[in-house]
Amino acid sequence: SQTIHQWPATLVQPVGSPLSLECTVEGTSNPNLYWYRQAAGRGLQLLFYSVGIGQISSEVPQNLSASRPQDRQFILSSKKLLLSDSGFYLCAWTKGTVNTEAFFGQGTRLTVV
Amino acid sequence: QKEVEQDPGPLSVPEGAIVSLNCTYSNSAFQYFMWYRQYSRKGPELLMYTYSSGNKEDGRFTAQVDKSSKYISLFIRDSQPSDSATYLCAMESGSNYQLIWGAGTKLIIKP
Repeated sequence: SQTIHQWPATLVQPVGSPLSLECTVEGTSNPNLYWYRQAAGRGLQLLFYSVGIGQISSEVPQNLSASRPQDRQFILSSKKLLLSDSGFYLCAWTKGTVNTEAFFGQGTRLTVV
Repeated sequence: QKEVEQDPGPLSVPEGAIVSLNCTYSNSAFQYFMWYRQYSRKGPELLMYTYSSGNKEDGRFTAQVDKSSKYISLFIRDSQPSDSATYLCAMESGSNYQLIWGAGTKLIIKP
């Protein structure tokens, strides 16, 4: 069966520090991978998606970047965090071109202080 | 105007009531319509999806799509306290890799 791992679950980082969140998928190959951010009481904001190794599409100009070094690994990074980067970050995967079902990780609660 | 509009609530109803959750959208290219449930501090999980117009039933849950009105609904019968969660609608045209999400409605079922 397919599983998705996202870590850490909670993170408190000072302003100006770097960030690295990692997501890995097991049990499938060539998934579409996504990073979302969810503000409190808000919907999901798509940050990045990837349909293959090294292929990253950015939806929102910001302080963040993403990389996909391996087929089932997706990394969200920042060189210098801002207070506005605080939020709930979710990694997800889908299969194929019709994405009726997205499978989500447990999320990372990031607080920038 | 947002592509998908959803009332954030909260919506509070007594146990056993019928719940109606709704989304409206503006993009007529959407073909796939999904409802996700998200418990606090967890990732969303898919409840149901519907292709094009019509109804789909799964246990206590019924999803309806009215493409002519650009309106979708999720009905929950015999609501339970365990149904308390945020419900997000999502849509896709089938021609790209992106789901378009509503803001989510927070539902509270009172025992």
